Amino acid sequence: QVQLVQSGAEVKKPGASVRVSCKASGYTFISYDINWVRQATGQGLEWMGWMNPNGGDTGYAQKFQGRVTMTRNTFISTVYMELSSLTSEDTAVYFCARGPKSCTGASCYTFDYWGQGTLVTVSS
Amino acid sequence: SSELTQDPAVSVALGQTVRITCQGDSLRTYYASWYQQKPGQAPVLVIYGKNNRPSGIPDRFSGSSSGNTASLTITGAQAEDEADYYCNSRDSSGNHVVFGGGTKLTVL
Repeated sequence: QVQLVQSGAEVKKPGASVRVSCKASGYTFISYDINWVRQATGQGLEWMGWMNPNGGDTGYAQKFQGRVTMTRNTFISTVYMELSSLTSEDTAVYFCARGPKSCTGASCYTFDYWGQGTLVTVSS
Repeated sequence: SSELTQDPAVSVALGQTVRITCQGDSLRTYYASWYQQKPGQAPVLVIYGKNNRPSGIPDRFSGSSSGNTASLTITGAQAEDEADYYCNSRDSSGNHVVFGGGTKLTVL
C-alpha cells in the first residue's frame, strides 16, 4: 500500500534551518511529484512547492522562494524539504503529499496520499 | 489572503444535504480538488476533477462547478462527516497551487 512516512518533530531556534524528510513506499517513486503543504495551529493549508523525483525539478510558492529547498534521494525513495531563516511564523505542521501519476508541476494539484505530518516548532 | 474563497463555517442537520463552495477566478479554467481534514489528522482527498471520488470515499460526496465557483455536496450528511473541508486548484497565473481557507462543517 502507498505510504508517505515523515521524520519526527523538530524544535528550532529563530534563524536556524530545518530539514523534514518524506519516505515513500508502495509505488514507483519517480513517477509522482511530491508536494509540501504546511498548516499552522488552527489555520488552513498552505502550499509550499513541488518536486519531481525523476529529474529533480522543483517549483516553489513565491512566499518561500529563496528560503525553501526540495531535494530527493532516489535510492531510498525519500524527498526532503529544507526551510531556512526560521521565525516563529514558521511554527506549523508540515505535510508531504503525492501528486497524480506522470504529471509534474503546478497543474498536478490533486494530492491523493499524504504523510502523517511533522510538527516544526520555532522558539527561542 | 487566498485566491480561493470558502465560507468559514457551515452546519447541516444529520441526514440532510449540504453544499460547501469555493470561489475564485482560476476555477473558470481549472477544476477544484476537495479534501476532508479531521482534527489531528492529515487531509484526505474526497473529490477531484469534474466529479471523481477516490476509492473508499462514499458516494454521498459529489462535486460540481459553475463559472468561478466549485461546490462539494454531501447528500445525507453523517456524523462522521463533521470536519474541515478545503478546496485547492491552480492560481490565476497557472504556475502555483493554492488552497481555499477551509470550511468547518458541523453536523447537528
